[in-house]
Amino acid sequence: GENVEQHPSTLSVQEGDSAVIKCTYSDSASNYFPWYKQELGKRPQLIIDIRSNVGEKKDQRIAVTLNKTAKHFSLHITETQPEDSAVYFCAASLPGGGNKLTFGTGTQLKVEL
Amino acid sequence: DTAVSQTPKYLVTQMGNDKSIKCEQNLGHDTMYWYKQDSKKFLKIMFSYNNKELIINETVPNRFSPKSPDKAHLNLHINSLELGDSAVYFCASSQAGVDEKLFFGSGTQLSVL
Repeated sequence: GENVEQHPSTLSVQEGDSAVIKCTYSDSASNYFPWYKQELGKRPQLIIDIRSNVGEKKDQRIAVTLNKTAKHFSLHITETQPEDSAVYFCAASLPGGGNKLTFGTGTQLKVEL
Repeated sequence: DTAVSQTPKYLVTQMGNDKSIKCEQNLGHDTMYWYKQDSKKFLKIMFSYNNKELIINETVPNRFSPKSPDKAHLNLHINSLELGDSAVYFCASSQAGVDEKLFFGSGTQLSVL
């Protein structure tokens, strides 16, 4: 089955700086890569996703890049703000797998004033 | 008018007891899921139902029994609760054939004493 590794497990940045979280996946057939944000005590919420036919996607301060050859994808957050502090999860899914998402282990992002 | 709602929010019980968690979605989705988030925040799929039919069962002990009376509801019954069952259980839904975006419920914090 699919295996997703995520780094770093914790990330501390100054407000206004950029943050980058990286994930690798094991199955080259995976074709869907979402990112979820989970604030303390809340539910995970989708913030951005990318499909395997696209190399990069951007939504305001958030961008995701995908390198299919290397089987890794990354989340980039620019101009970080305190409200960006949360746990971020990457995930991957295979086609025809009943939408079985395999999640990474999460990155605790802390944006300091 | 919460999109995915689950009850109860907190569940504290003794080892050996049987308990149920209920989930309802009003998004018109045809696929529903149960995810388990352990103390290290790791999110792992347990079950997935599409139109009341079980399509994913991830090597979960048979003490866990999901039931889907209709496509808007997915309940989780747990028999003979063990200490290791303590976790946050998230219900989620998505619309198959449209995209794989998951909408999560607010979670049920289960504590087994």
